[in-house]
Amino acid sequence: KQEVTQIPAALSVPEGENLVLNCSFTDSAIYNLQWFRQDPGKGLTSLLLIQSSQREQTSGRLNASLDKSSGRSTLYIAASQPGDSATYLCAVTTDSWGKLQFGAGTQVVVTP
Amino acid sequence: DVKVTQSSRYLVKRTGEKVFLECVQDMDHENMFWYRQDPGLGLRLIYFSYDVKMKEKGDIPEGYSVSREKKERFSLILESASTNQTSMYLCASSSFQGAEAFFGQGTRLTVV
Repeated sequence: KQEVTQIPAALSVPEGENLVLNCSFTDSAIYNLQWFRQDPGKGLTSLLLIQSSQREQTSGRLNASLDKSSGRSTLYIAASQPGDSATYLCAVTTDSWGKLQFGAGTQVVVTP
Repeated sequence: DVKVTQSSRYLVKRTGEKVFLECVQDMDHENMFWYRQDPGLGLRLIYFSYDVKMKEKGDIPEGYSVSREKKERFSLILESASTNQTSMYLCASSSFQGAEAFFGQGTRLTVV
């Protein structure tokens, strides 16, 4: 069974520092990997989608890499801002229906 | 922009009531999903649907049923609400294999 792990569980950084969030998965047979952001009490906002054939995706200050063979993805957020404070979740899709298997998330606090 | 809308942000229901959670998406997506999110347990799949009137059980279907009479609408039904169904419920949709998943804003259900 696919297991998705996110380390660390929580992270606090001063404003301006770069954020590095890690996600690992046990079964490399994935269709894609998606990074989400969740604010307290809210739904999930999609940040980046990486297809299994891709190595990375970028959107603004966000960059996500995927190494399928080693079962790892990393989300980089450049020049962090207090507005980046949220929980970040990664999820993999391992079947044709698009069912997502989630990690537990990394709670990020960016201090001014 | 894709929009997934859940009918309520907050609900309070009594034990034994029949509860309906509604989800509507506006992008003609084939696949729709219901997840629940609990502290320490993360996001878990309850049911999903890949077409009108088609449904499949997820990881935790006990105590729930679903209905998809129209492509854009996917309903989660708690047949007889119990206190252990107090949770955050999240609806999602996606268009095809490997596609990005989009989530609604979530419904915080409290069963008293």
